Amino acid sequence: QKEVEQNSGPLSVPEGAIASLNCTYSDRGSQSFFWYRQYSGKSPELIMFIYSNGDKEDGRFTAQLNKASQYVSLLIRDSQPSDSATYLCAVQGGKLIFGQGTELSVKP
Amino acid sequence: EAQVTQNPRYLITVTGKKLTVTCSQNMNHEYMSWYRQDPGLGLRQIYYSMNVEVTDKGDVPEGYKVSRKEKRNFPLILESPSPNQTSLYFCASSLTGTPNEQFFGPGTRLTVL
Repeated sequence: QKEVEQNSGPLSVPEGAIASLNCTYSDRGSQSFFWYRQYSGKSPELIMFIYSNGDKEDGRFTAQLNKASQYVSLLIRDSQPSDSATYLCAVQGGKLIFGQGTELSVKP
Repeated sequence: EAQVTQNPRYLITVTGKKLTVTCSQNMNHEYMSWYRQDPGLGLRQIYYSMNVEVTDKGDVPEGYKVSRKEKRNFPLILESPSPNQTSLYFCASSLTGTPNEQFFGPGTRLTVL
């Protein structure tokens, strides 16, 4: 089992829809959770981080954390073509571990 | 402009020919690290440095060396590159090592023939 696992993707959603990206992790001691966006050929950029159970909202983005079930998700509301990218989940316990990424495609 | 720079951005080399990928940051960050990114495997940490003259292994250090003689620079050295080191490499820096303040460099695409 991978330490951090994401939907294999690619995920395709129509413009204006909600995109849901999921991530599970194996280390129950993990404390911090991060979502990065990576456009093709570019470096990752941090878009959300969450430390506590529940939801954290920032504009069109909502991160959801459930430590008991060991999953973290990212919801993108009103998806835009500019949201088309690979989304990386990262989990920090003793060290920062990245998932393999989920490619999102938002179709106009 | 605050940034992390890497050179070269693209490199094609042959097996066994020593190479160095440079990384430099202008933000006075103490923490720097190197990652490699491969399809289906995500980002994996190679080495990191908490401060000058302090370096430590990440998850995949085999075949790599690093040094941190100055705060701003953190070169990645491949003494004898092999084809399995063909990858996309990212350098990153942050003030204290906290991921939510980590800046990534633009990446170096390395091909070892």
